[in-house]
Amino acid sequence: DAEITQSPRHKITETGRQVTLACHQTWNHNNMFWYRQDLGHGLRLIHYSYGVHDTNKGEVSDGYSVSRSNTEDLPLTLESAASSQTSVYFCASSESRGFMSTEAFFGQGTRLTVV
Amino acid sequence: AQSVTQLGSHVSVSEGALVLLRCNYSSSVPPYLFWYVQYPNQGLQLLLKYTSAATLVKGINGFEAEFKKSETSFHLTKPSAHMSDAAEYFCAVSALKNAGNMLTFGGGTRLMVKP
Repeated sequence: DAEITQSPRHKITETGRQVTLACHQTWNHNNMFWYRQDLGHGLRLIHYSYGVHDTNKGEVSDGYSVSRSNTEDLPLTLESAASSQTSVYFCASSESRGFMSTEAFFGQGTRLTVV
Repeated sequence: AQSVTQLGSHVSVSEGALVLLRCNYSSSVPPYLFWYVQYPNQGLQLLLKYTSAATLVKGINGFEAEFKKSETSFHLTKPSAHMSDAAEYFCAVSALKNAGNMLTFGGGTRLMVKP
């Protein structure tokens, strides 16, 4: 069965370190997204990609970067981790169907703690 | 620009009672609307979606939602709550950009079901 997997599921890192969270999907979806989930804020969009070599900034992109070298993967990098980036991170993917909106499939999440 | 407001960050109902979770949206274009459910320590799972067909949408686990354009609402209901419905629920609106789509989420509503 197709799926979307995130790794690691839990990560503790120190302030100032670079951290990369992995996201891998086997749906062959063109669209991939990174969200962060914080109490009271729901999910907020960090970065997104509509295809290989395409990346775009979302609502809360400062301090984060992504790259899309193939269809399956969209790693999220925290350049210099800060305590404000302690959060649960979700990766999602969806299919492009012209102007029809399709549902997004979510990974299990990565809980990141910056100490 | 688009946004979603979920009224009530916490809703408590008794088992067997009606569940009503409120969602209002704003969108500059005809919206696609979604309800997702999140169980503890899991990713988000699609409950149902509105994509400009029938205004009353039926989803999984006995949930349904009605799109009301005049009220810019997409409230989620279930006639009889079950203990297993306890979870966090997110309403989301989709905007189309180029050939892709992204979701904007509300803040979430935590549903508690009392025995």
